[in-house]
Amino acid sequence: DGGITQSPKYLFRKEGQNVTLSCEQNLNHDAMYWYRQDPGQGLRLIYYSQIVNDFQKGDIAEGYSVSREKKESFPLTVTSAQKNPTAFYLCASSRLLQGTGANVLTFGAGSRLTVL
Amino acid sequence: EDQVTQSPEALRLQEGESSSLNCSYTVSGLRGLFWYRQDPGKGPEFLFTLYSAGEEKEKERLKATLTKKESFLHITAPKPEDSATYLCAVQAGVNGGATNKLIFGTGTLLAVQP
Repeated sequence: DGGITQSPKYLFRKEGQNVTLSCEQNLNHDAMYWYRQDPGQGLRLIYYSQIVNDFQKGDIAEGYSVSREKKESFPLTVTSAQKNPTAFYLCASSRLLQGTGANVLTFGAGSRLTVL
Repeated sequence: EDQVTQSPEALRLQEGESSSLNCSYTVSGLRGLFWYRQDPGKGPEFLFTLYSAGEEKEKERLKATLTKKESFLHITAPKPEDSATYLCAVQAGVNGGATNKLIFGTGTLLAVQP
């Protein structure tokens, strides 16, 4: 079955450490996204990518980095520069609906990062 | 500024008690309005896309409607398994392609008691 796989599901980090969250999709989608979800807030876009070797900053990119070396993969690195990294991170990918240009996002199961 | 507001924040229903969730939006050039369902500790699951005022879509006990200012998610005779957070999102902009980001509301937490 096609889908998006995020790993790890839970991750603990000490202050000052960088951590990388994995996201792999086998849906043959061109676009991939990283969102952050905090209690009481809507999903906020961190980074997105339309094609391999290209990506753009979202609304809250500071303290994060990404790469897109393969169509299937879009890893997110949470660096020590991110002031408040504890959150639920969601990876998504999208196709375009025919005739509309609206993007239906398919989400992974999420990764919960906790800074100790 | 593009904005999405969902109400109520939380809703508790008895099994079989129908109700509606609201999603109000302000956006320039609506390309689509999306409803997602999210279970605790999981990623959102796609439910519906609506494109223009007057459009309606149904899936089992759920029915989504759209006006120029808001969308409603009607839940008819809910069951405990309908308990989840329901997220609304809009896609704005006039440019094509995957660069048009989605703007999400904060969600409505629905609890259906047996």
